[in-house]
Amino acid sequence: EAGVTQSPTHLIKTRGQQATLRCSPISGHTSVYWYQQALGLGLQFLLWYDEGEERNRGNFPPRFSGRQFPNYSSELNVNALELEDSALYLCASSLDGGLIYEQYFGPGTRLTVT
Amino acid sequence: KQEVTQIPAALSVPEGENLVLNCSFTDSAIYNLQWFRQDPGKGLTSLLLIQSSQREQTSGRLNASLDKSSGRSTLYIAASQPGDSATYLCAVLTGKIIFGKGTRLHILP
Repeated sequence: EAGVTQSPTHLIKTRGQQATLRCSPISGHTSVYWYQQALGLGLQFLLWYDEGEERNRGNFPPRFSGRQFPNYSSELNVNALELEDSALYLCASSLDGGLIYEQYFGPGTRLTVT
Repeated sequence: KQEVTQIPAALSVPEGENLVLNCSFTDSAIYNLQWFRQDPGKGLTSLLLIQSSQREQTSGRLNASLDKSSGRSTLYIAASQPGDSATYLCAVLTGKIIFGKGTRLHILP
């Protein structure tokens, strides 16, 4: 069974541009979560999508947004990129929402903003 | 506000030793607690998930315990191996998932 996949592996953007990151969950999983791991800040919760709707979001500005498609894959969009957005962005999926079920993580997308 | 703390931040032990990693959290109202490992620059690998009604989970050489009343969890690694070298993260799952900053473990050959 395929795990959580993310694309691209690496992404280099300049300040002010937009970045789009993609995530495909494990087959059968309906919830997708996005996390940011910036240097020195640990892993921080960004967004949670379940059944196509945003269920919860962390303490991030509105320029971080996303969506979940009918096939449960998800996109994370970061607008007006800032240097401090440089980080590893991790996606995870689980069987259902509510954070009851175990989360499985993808390999991440490393975003570098110059 | 839920806070998750992991102590120590870094740990080096000789191969073959048993070791314990600690995780503490401030609010006992959690759904479950999950332990992960992360290799440098990589995503997270789930190790063990403990439901709030459980006290421990075991997988191979790993054993995780949960004491909600005291806000503590431990990850016990038996007979450590160089391949166990990684960062170990615990995460508390409530309405959100909150991670500790991790313990960087180095197993000395």
